[in-house]
Parts: sequence; structure tokens; C-alpha cells
Amino acid sequence: EVQLVESGGGLVQPGRSLRLSCTASGFTFGDYAMSWVRQAPGKGLEWVGFIRSKAYGGTTEYAASVKGRFTISRDDSKSIAYLQMNSLKTEDTAVYYCTRILMRFGQHWGQGTLVTVSS
Amino acid sequence: DIQMTQSPSSVSASVGDRVTITCRASQGISSWLAWYQQKPGKAPKLLIYAASSLQSGVPSRFSGSGSGTDFTLTISSLQPEDFATYYCQQANSFFTWTFGQGTKVEIK
Repeated sequence: EVQLVESGGGLVQPGRSLRLSCTASGFTFGDYAMSWVRQAPGKGLEWVGFIRSKAYGGTTEYAASVKGRFTISRDDSKSIAYLQMNSLKTEDTAVYYCTRILMRFGQHWGQGTLVTVSS
Repeated sequence: DIQMTQSPSSVSASVGDRVTITCRASQGISSWLAWYQQKPGKAPKLLIYAASSLQSGVPSRFSGSGSGTDFTLTISSLQPEDFATYYCQQANSFFTWTFGQGTKVEIK
């Protein structure tokens, strides 16, 4: 069974950093691209970015709202995807989900981790 | 950037009703469209991908159609567990995703 478990969320002050982890199991992690999607309280879904598999260069793409502040990486030996978030803003407050990508779509989703940016 | 517009933003329906949700892209996206279902406090769940392909395990009362700019999600006979918010998502470019604003299906 495919499982994705996000961790690392919490309360952080504006301007600080936080790193989220997405631990995968039940499939060969290195074969898949992974994405991060967020959802602000009471709002819709917003794509954050994704990372391709090593077979496709392991390259990353980001939404304009986070480009230059957020970095996605992966450790295929540990089956973990990371979201490093720097220079956090109050508008980054959201539940952050990781997803396993199938044909450019989010096939499997984790349960999410809440990030609250507040002083 | 490609914008996705869903309609309606909410719909009230009864068990057994046929429900149709539409999604319009600001430019052609071929069949690079997915539909997700989200229940309160839960992660989104993939229902339909590539505009009309049913994700494994999803009931056949869900169907998707369309290509280019206009897409439809249909629930043929609404069940109690289908009351949720539905989102479309475009993936025409492998460099960016865009979601629609969501359609809440409520009990009439």
C-alpha cells in the first residue's frame, strides 16, 4: 500500500525557516516524481512545486509565489522528499501535502502537515 | 499562466441526483486535466485523470469528459459519501499546475 507521511510542520515566526519531510513507503520512491501542494485555512488548493525522478534529471519547478524561497529535494535512499521553506511569510500559513505524481497528476496524497507563520 | 474556472462554486443536491460540474481553462490544455474530491479535514483524492480516465478504486458513477478548454465532471447518482468539495487541476505544462477554485456539493 502506498503511504506518504508528512512531518515537520508547526508554528514559526515570519522570516524564519522550516523544513518539511514526506516519508514514502509501499513503492519504489526513486521511480516517481513528487509534488508539494498547500491549502491555506478555508481556501482552495495551491501547487507549490515538484521534483522529477533522477531518471529525468531530478530537476525542480516552483510556483511563482514561492520561487527563490522554497527548495524541494529528495533522498531516494531514505524514500523522503523535502520542502525547505525560507523567509516564511504569514501568507505561507497552510496545510502542506506531498503527492506522488502519475502522468502529471497527484495520484496519492499524504495526510498533510500544518504550517503556521505568525509572530 | 493558465487559469482554471470552475462552475458552479456550490451546488445543493439530493441523494440520487445527477450532478455536473464544469471547468474551463483559459487556454487549450488538450486532455491534461484531473478531478479531485476533498472532504473536510482530509487530503484530496484523485478521481479522474487525463480528462476521462477513472482512477483505480473510484466508483463508476464518477465520469469525466472534455478536451481543449471545456471539461465536465459528472456524478450520475449522488451518494451520501459524495458530499464534498471537488477541484479540477490542469497539467498542460510539466512546469506548473493550476487548480480550479473548487465546487462544494452540499445536501439539499
